Amino acid sequence: DAGVTQSPTHLIKTRGQHVTLRCSPISGHKSVSWYQQVLGQGPQFIFQYYEKEERGRGNFPDRFSARQFPNYSSELNVNALLLGDSALYLCASSFMVGTEAFFGQGTRLTVV
Amino acid sequence: KNEVEQSPQNLTAQEGEFITINCSYSVGISALHWLQQHPGGGIVSLFMLSSGKKKHGRLIATINIQEKHSSLHITASHPRDSAVYICAVIIQGAQKLVFGQGTRLTINP
Repeated sequence: DAGVTQSPTHLIKTRGQHVTLRCSPISGHKSVSWYQQVLGQGPQFIFQYYEKEERGRGNFPDRFSARQFPNYSSELNVNALLLGDSALYLCASSFMVGTEAFFGQGTRLTVV
Repeated sequence: KNEVEQSPQNLTAQEGEFITINCSYSVGISALHWLQQHPGGGIVSLFMLSSGKKKHGRLIATINIQEKHSSLHITASHPRDSAVYICAVIIQGAQKLVFGQGTRLTINP
C-alpha cells in the first residue's frame, strides 16, 4: 500500500509568485496536516484538515491556504512568495484527528 | 521557552554504544511521537505512545506522563542509525503536533 505521497518533490519559484503543493494520504486516512520546516529547525504546524473541513490553523499569514478534496487528498497554496517561505513542506496523514501520523517525503521549496 | 525541549541537540557516539535521547514537554498531551528524519527530509514515524513503554527492534521508547518526559533509547547503535530524531506531542484539545528541535545523532564506525 502506498504511503503518503507529495508532489512535487522539489520546486524553485521567484518572489511574488504563488505555489500549489499536493498531498495524497494513505488510503483510508481522513486527516491531513501540513507543516513547514525551515532548515535547522523542527517542523511548524500550518493546517489540519479532517473530513474536508479545516480543524486547525497555525500562526501563518493569510498568504497560506489549503483545502481537502472529497478523496481526502489536499493542496497547500502559498501566494506572494517571500524568500522566507523557502523550506521543506511536510504533509502528514492519519486515520482521524489525534491518531498516529504518517509523513510524506516533503516538498522542498526554494524561493529566489 | 519551547513547549517541547529535546536533549542533547547533537550526539556523536561509537558503533555499539547505548544511546538515549530525552524529550520534555510543558503542556497537556494526548500522545507523543518519536520520529526519524534522514538527510533529504523524509520523516519516518518510529513510535506513538501515550503511556508506558514500546519496543521495536533495537529501539525503545518510554514516557512518564506525570513527569512530562519521554526517552528514546537505541541499543547496539549502528552507523545507519545516524539521523535527526524528533519528539513531537499531540496537544490535548488542539490535536495538533508540536515538535521539538530535534537531536542530530551521528554514529561512527
